[in-house]
Amino acid sequence: TQLLEQSPQFLSIQEGENLTVYCNSSSVFSSLQWYRQEPGEGPVLLVTVVTGGEVKKLKRLTFQFGDARKDSSLHITAAQTGDTGLYLCAARGLTGGGNKLTFGTGTQLKVEL
Amino acid sequence: DAGITQSPRHKVTETGTPVTLRCHQTENHRYMYWYRQDPGHGLRLIHYSYGVKDTDKGEVSDGYSVSRSKTEDFLLTLESATSSQTSVYFCAISERGGTPSNYGYTFGSGTRLTVV
Repeated sequence: TQLLEQSPQFLSIQEGENLTVYCNSSSVFSSLQWYRQEPGEGPVLLVTVVTGGEVKKLKRLTFQFGDARKDSSLHITAAQTGDTGLYLCAARGLTGGGNKLTFGTGTQLKVEL
Repeated sequence: DAGITQSPRHKVTETGTPVTLRCHQTENHRYMYWYRQDPGHGLRLIHYSYGVKDTDKGEVSDGYSVSRSKTEDFLLTLESATSSQTSVYFCAISERGGTPSNYGYTFGSGTRLTVV
């Protein structure tokens, strides 16, 4: 089983602060995705990264895939209360697994005024 | 938004009773998945389907069975519910499998199941 470790588990910050969430594994992945989940709803896809070293930006969110494709980070600039939610990374392995995603345990972010 | 609905949204059942959760999609996607979400464990795959009548086990399949007789419906059955199956269950759909590997999942809103 490929394990995806996310850190931190919980993060509480003030609006306007910056933050980084990490997703790490000992395995190499073919691609990695980030999802955000709000209470009472299912996760929603934010981005997919497939190339080692790739950086993608989505407004105030910056996603990076590690050069060795074993880790990823999500950086939020000037956080807003609307960013509050559970952030999940998910990856597909290179060997077997097909289209199945393995999910990390998540980072619960709370942004307060 | 992708058309995927789960029913029921909430259910309380007694230990030992059978329970069936339904996932319905209107996107004609080939792949469907059932996950459970528990604190500290994230999302764990129970079963998945890669076509009508084609299903396979995930990492936590014990105590669960699935059926897919139509493209649009994927049913998850707990044959004899136990308290350890109290969880939030999510269905997901995906258009493609294998490569390219940049297809994401679209999730339903979940079913909160409590086994007492």
